[in-house]
Amino acid sequence: GAVVSQHPSWVICKSGTSVKIECRSLDFQATTMFWYRQFPKQSLMLMATSNEGSKATYEQGVEKDKFLINHASLTLSTLTVTSAHPEDSSFYICSARIGPLGYNEQFFGPGTRLTVL
Amino acid sequence: AQSVTQLGSHVSVSEGALVLLRCNYSSSVPPYLFWYVQYPNQGLQLLLKYTTGATLVKGINGFEAEFKKSETSFHLTKPSAHMSDAAEYFCAVSPGGYNKLIFGAGTRLAVHP
Repeated sequence: GAVVSQHPSWVICKSGTSVKIECRSLDFQATTMFWYRQFPKQSLMLMATSNEGSKATYEQGVEKDKFLINHASLTLSTLTVTSAHPEDSSFYICSARIGPLGYNEQFFGPGTRLTVL
Repeated sequence: AQSVTQLGSHVSVSEGALVLLRCNYSSSVPPYLFWYVQYPNQGLQLLLKYTTGATLVKGINGFEAEFKKSETSFHLTKPSAHMSDAAEYFCAVSPGGYNKLIFGAGTRLAVHP
């Protein structure tokens, strides 16, 4: 149980295009999903917290107009990288929170590697 | 502010040797603490967690960690390393257990024959 999937697993795009990454909780409902990015050989940095049916909360320094997050249902959150540039190339990982309020159990997706040419 | 420090970005051990990965945290409220493992090009897998109660927690694959409040530490250990343990390990803290996970920089564990 508690499986989180991401699609696509990897994507290569041209500079200036937009890319959408999906994060799905397959066997549970996730009221909260998180988006992280990870540069090579570095740790995960939280980008935003996504709550179903409401606007995402972005971390300081993350451009909300560039990284659009939509959490339309209890099993799906999407991250759209708009007008992608080479510096956006990274490994993007989502997680979904399960459990009662106050207890933080996050399950992570397998990640999406974005390469912008 | 909350933070996590992992001492040693790279640790190398022989197969069968003790594994010790160090993690110190800073939190203004009682922390929830986690260890995750990441294999190349994959997401994170939870090894173990401390929330409340017993300070010595056991996880998957023979790993365990001990929460020491006085030392603000949560070191990860395994008595005998296996080749399959080679991976990146992340310590994380969730202050009070609410929402955010704050990750350490990670420790890459290498296991050699």
